[in-house]
Amino acid sequence: GDSVTQMEGPVTLSEEAFLTINCTYTATGYPSLFWYVQYPGEGLQLLLKATKADDKGSNKGFEATYRKETTSFHLEKGSVQVSDSAVYFCALRSLNTGFQKLVFGTGTRLLVSP
Amino acid sequence: DAGITQSPRHKVTETGTPVTLRCHQTENHRYMYWYRQDPGHGLRLIHYSYGVKDTDKGEVSDGYSVSRSKTEDFLLTLESATSSQTSVYFCAISELQGDYGYTFGSGTRLTVV
Repeated sequence: GDSVTQMEGPVTLSEEAFLTINCTYTATGYPSLFWYVQYPGEGLQLLLKATKADDKGSNKGFEATYRKETTSFHLEKGSVQVSDSAVYFCALRSLNTGFQKLVFGTGTRLLVSP
Repeated sequence: DAGITQSPRHKVTETGTPVTLRCHQTENHRYMYWYRQDPGHGLRLIHYSYGVKDTDKGEVSDGYSVSRSKTEDFLLTLESATSSQTSVYFCAISELQGDYGYTFGSGTRLTVV
């Protein structure tokens, strides 16, 4: 079945460092891809999305490019802040599932220190 | 988030007792979902609903049942709670089977002792 693999965390960075969180997927067809963020004690929030190959999703300084050839959707940010500390989830929605269900990765915790 | 609320936010219950969690939305979205979040597993789908009285199982549905008698309410029932059901439960809604993503509630932390 469809699946998402994320790098294990935690990822620990100093403020203003460059961030990459890797995400690869396995799916039939051409899935839509998402990044969600979960701040402590809260539910998940949609961060960005991409619906077709070579699309770049972006929001709040975060970016991710849909790479069909490498089945990847890595999350990047040029300069992280302490307020970016959260858990980040990569997810996919496949058109072949017959119903819109999101499949999530296991999440990657990001810790940013001042 | 405004538009979707879960209750209770926290609950401690004893093994063998039934427990019902409630998800309430004011967005009039057709689709509703229950997930559980556990360390090392991320989010796993328990049940989902695609309309009033229309529900189906997700990947971890054993020991859970759901009901949706109104568009705005989606109830998750643990028929006889077990310690393995200690988890954080999230409800989500979506408007269409499109690329709009989900809106999540703030979660219910359930502890079964």
